[in-house]
Amino acid sequence: GENVEQHPSTLSVQEGDSAVIKCTYSDSASNYFPWYKQELGKRPQLIIDIRSNVGEKKDQRIAVTLNKTAKHFSLHITETQPEDSAVYFCAAKKNTGFQKLVFGTGTRLLVSP
Amino acid sequence: DGGITQSPKYLFRKEGQNVTLSCEQNLNHDAMYWYRQDPGQGLRLIYYSQIVNDFQKGDIAEGYSVSREKKESFPLTVTSAQKNPTAFYLCASSASGSSYEQYFGPGTRLTVT
Repeated sequence: GENVEQHPSTLSVQEGDSAVIKCTYSDSASNYFPWYKQELGKRPQLIIDIRSNVGEKKDQRIAVTLNKTAKHFSLHITETQPEDSAVYFCAAKKNTGFQKLVFGTGTRLLVSP
Repeated sequence: DGGITQSPKYLFRKEGQNVTLSCEQNLNHDAMYWYRQDPGQGLRLIYYSQIVNDFQKGDIAEGYSVSREKKESFPLTVTSAQKNPTAFYLCASSASGSSYEQYFGPGTRLTVT
């Protein structure tokens, strides 16, 4: 089955810096890759996703890139702000029939003022 | 934050007791999921249901049981057979088994002593 690895487990940056979180997946048939943000004590919420027919997607300060050949995808946050501090999860799934999301182990991002 | 609710937010039980966690959604979603979240670990799938009256075991189903008698409801019972039940439990739903977004509930923090 699918296996998703996520790095780093923790990331500390200064406000205004960029942050990059990387994930690798094992199943080449996976073609949907969402990113969730979970603030302390709150529910995970989708912040951006990408499908395998594109290599990059942007939404204001966040972007996701996908390298299908290498089977890895990354979340990029530019001009980080303290409110970006949270745990970020990547996930992968196949878009055929009913497939489960497989989550990475999460990255705790701390943005210091 | 409406659409999918979990109750209660905090739950305390004595070891050896079964406990049922509630999950309700009014999003008309077919699929529902239960995840367990422990510190430093990702989201681990306990059970999922594609349609009413049908459910499948996830990766860590031992010691848990579910039912799906109504589309809106997917309660999770943590039985006394679960060796380490203290955790944060998240329920989620999605429109179908395709690549649609999973919406998460606010979670229930269960403490068993």
